[in-house]
Amino acid sequence: GAGVSQSPSNKVTEKGKDVELRCDPISGHTALYWYRQRLGQGLEFLIYFQGNSAPDKSGLPSDRFSAERTGESVSTLTIQRTQQEDSAVYLCASSLVGGGLAGAYSGANVLTFGAGSRLTVL
Amino acid sequence: KQEVTQIPAALSVPEGENLVLNCSFTDSAIYNLQWFRQDPGKGLTSLLLIQSSQREQTSGRLNASLDKSSGRSTLYIAASQPGDSATYLCAVRAGNNRKLIWGLGTSLAVNP
Repeated sequence: GAGVSQSPSNKVTEKGKDVELRCDPISGHTALYWYRQRLGQGLEFLIYFQGNSAPDKSGLPSDRFSAERTGESVSTLTIQRTQQEDSAVYLCASSLVGGGLAGAYSGANVLTFGAGSRLTVL
Repeated sequence: KQEVTQIPAALSVPEGENLVLNCSFTDSAIYNLQWFRQDPGKGLTSLLLIQSSQREQTSGRLNASLDKSSGRSTLYIAASQPGDSATYLCAVRAGNNRKLIWGLGTSLAVNP
């Protein structure tokens, strides 16, 4: 598609429920990132996918968080047994290639972000 | 550990003024630095990317500079307009690290 699409744009759920957030990156972008932004705070890295390589999951805050990506297409971020502290905007971004792989073409590193999924856990 | 700081946290200026946003980072071993703007409900928009070997990048009324040795980048906005009102974020990518390290942003209000 023309941009990065995320769904749902807004999700209100009860504590303890599971939620699934979806990200549809720009076609042809091999790198995909998930970030979280809590109210009044900076962006927090969650997970990074680069092509068919093993994902970098070092930012996931707990084992309740998981993410999948099939090939270079859609990614889903799943939060199990949601807690109130999970309330945040979850942002997905994609780039032509990931960090350190762009070589001389700096534009390949440029991230395009989706509009985010706002999650509210009551 | 790389840390990114943005000053000021908030800025309010009259329309037409030229302004400078500052970003500083603690580890000069960076791969690149990017400036983004964040509009409520619209996610993030990439503005400029500067590779570690570059000194500046320009796009329209925006000019971003990079001084790796001092750990600083500035985003210069010329002839500011109300439509420039947004939060501006700076992010650095370390040499061998795939993650971006983010500042908390500068919230800019340009008043008509």
